[in-house]
Amino acid sequence: DIQMTQSPSSVSASVGDRVTITCRASQGIGSWLAWYQQKPGKAPKLLIYPASSLQSGVPSRFSGSGSGADFTLTISNLQPEDFATYYCQQANSFPPYTFGQGTKLEIK
Amino acid sequence: QVQLQESGPGLVKPSETLSLTCTVSGGSISTYYWSWIRQPPGKGLEWIGYIYYSGSTNYNPSLKSRVTISLDTSKNQFSLKLSSVTAADTAVFYCARHGRSGWEPRWYFDLWGRGTLVTVSS
Repeated sequence: DIQMTQSPSSVSASVGDRVTITCRASQGIGSWLAWYQQKPGKAPKLLIYPASSLQSGVPSRFSGSGSGADFTLTISNLQPEDFATYYCQQANSFPPYTFGQGTKLEIK
Repeated sequence: QVQLQESGPGLVKPSETLSLTCTVSGGSISTYYWSWIRQPPGKGLEWIGYIYYSGSTNYNPSLKSRVTISLDTSKNQFSLKLSSVTAADTAVFYCARHGRSGWEPRWYFDLWGRGTLVTVSS
């Protein structure tokens, strides 16, 4: 199985800040990576797939980069609605499709 | 627009079989891959398995011996059965649709149900 490791596990930031979350795969997965946002009590929401393509309707302050085994999610100019938990997921063709452990973005 | 809704018992006894159904509304179940994903309280996400509208399936090896996913195209539904449950199976269970590029499947999840909490307890 491909293991996905996110860092940090949690981060505190203020409105207007820029935050970067890192995701590392245990082996190369090309650009086949997805990022999700999850708010308490809600289902995850797809933000980015593949690694750098923003989904329709997602604010442009979100951006993704990387390929191979190392990926980043950057949120610029943090807004109050961005405080949530973020997950990466390897979307390589071979299952199981594994997720990172999550990064909780909290208000400082 | 297409919506997914999970349904099933919220409480299951240890050693019994957990059964959930996902109803797809606003669109057809055909030509897509559909998955079940679970999330224990306060923890991360775990992919359980998928089914294609043709009936082909693929399961997470960690759960394969206990999982069955099936579908009923006439009802636009697919279902999950997880046998011999223990307290470790307590989780919010989500059904989700795989993305697609043209007619080619992609292995991310572009549409999710709201999730349903299943507690395993006597």
